[in-house]
This record gives sequence, C-alpha cells and structure tokens, in this order.
Amino acid sequence: SAVISQKPSRDICQRGTSLTIQCQVDSQVTMMFWYRQQPGQSLTLIATANQGSEATYESGFVIDKFPISRPNLTFSTLTVSNMSPEDSSIYLCSVRPDDSSGYTFGSGTRLTVV
Amino acid sequence: GENVEQHPSTLSVQEGDSAVIKCTYSDSASNYFPWYKQELGKRPQLIIDIRSNVGEKKDQRIAVTLNKTAKHFSLHITETQPEDSAVYFCAASSGGSYIPTFGRGTSLIVHP
Repeated sequence: SAVISQKPSRDICQRGTSLTIQCQVDSQVTMMFWYRQQPGQSLTLIATANQGSEATYESGFVIDKFPISRPNLTFSTLTVSNMSPEDSSIYLCSVRPDDSSGYTFGSGTRLTVV
Repeated sequence: GENVEQHPSTLSVQEGDSAVIKCTYSDSASNYFPWYKQELGKRPQLIIDIRSNVGEKKDQRIAVTLNKTAKHFSLHITETQPEDSAVYFCAASSGGSYIPTFGRGTSLIVHP
C-alpha cells in the first residue's frame, strides 16, 4: 500500500492567516482526497485533487477558502485561507492507488486557530 | 450521491464478547466497502475490506459480510480485547469514481 508523508503534524495559527498542508506519496496516484475531521466526528471530504486539472470541491467547500495544488502525481497541498476558530480541526489527505488497494491516510494535521 | 448510515454510534462490550457494527448504503453502483479503525489521535487504518462480488471475508477475529440486495454490510469482531477499543468507520465507493463515502463512526469500548 502507499505511504503518505503529511506535514505539518500540528500548528497553532492566528485568525486571518493561512496555513498550507503538504502531502507526499511514495508512488504515483491519480486521485488524492482531502478530508476534515472534527473531534469525535467522521471524515468530511473537502475536495478531490487530480493532477493537471482543478480540484473538485464538495458542497460547502470553496476554492477561495481551501485552494489545492496538485503539481504532479505524488504531491499535493491544501491551504486553509483567512482562518477563523471554526477552522480548527484535523485535516487529512488520502489516496487509493488502484482497485486492489484500500484508502491510505496521511498522519493528519491538527490545526488550532486562536 | 452515496449515503452511508452506520449503527450503533457507541458500542460497549465485555472482553471476550463479540461486537457487530452495521452499515447501509444507497448507491447500487458501489462495489468496494472498506472498514477503518481509528485510535485516539491517530490516522484511520484499513482493517478489512470487501468487494461486491464476495459475500463474506474473514481475517482472524474480524469478518465482514455484504448483502448487495439489501445494500448493507457488517463488521464482526469476535473475542474482543481491550486493544480493540477505537472508533470504527465503514465506507462505500464505486469503481468509477473511487470517491469514498464514510459512515459516522462507531466508538467501540471493550471493558476488561
């Protein structure tokens, strides 16, 4: 299965600022998923990132707030822009390399906005 | 789109008992059903999965069953141990999109 390196693992940020989260995969994957997980809650899909095209955002999430880059098949970034305390959450990236594999998750970024 | 319902939200059992978590899905095109275990502060980890051409799959103390007609699938854990305590998520996805839909999670507590 794929191995994902995600950073930073945690950060405390001032409201109004932005944070960029990075995920590096050890193999080429077509799709990369970005999730938000509130404490004690399920995984909410933010967007799906494909290389060479604009990310596809789920209802309730917009590109201006969560811009995503996917410069190649092994790397992606998610930026949380103009942060407010409501953005405090855990953010995870995930991939599913092929039909024979399950979804693999990064270790997560615990974001606290003060 | 796909909708996945998961029950119960909390499950408390005694060590050695069995635990069953159930999920239903809405999209008949879904063909891949993974289960994830998430310990506190850690990432979700795949524990078992099943595809739509199989009715049951076992891996030691863990088994998953799938009823395509009824659109539900279940996770069975036998001889539970305290280290099984975690949040378990089911998910469903179709082969075309690969986009998974997760259930709300079940917090399993195994009392020694």
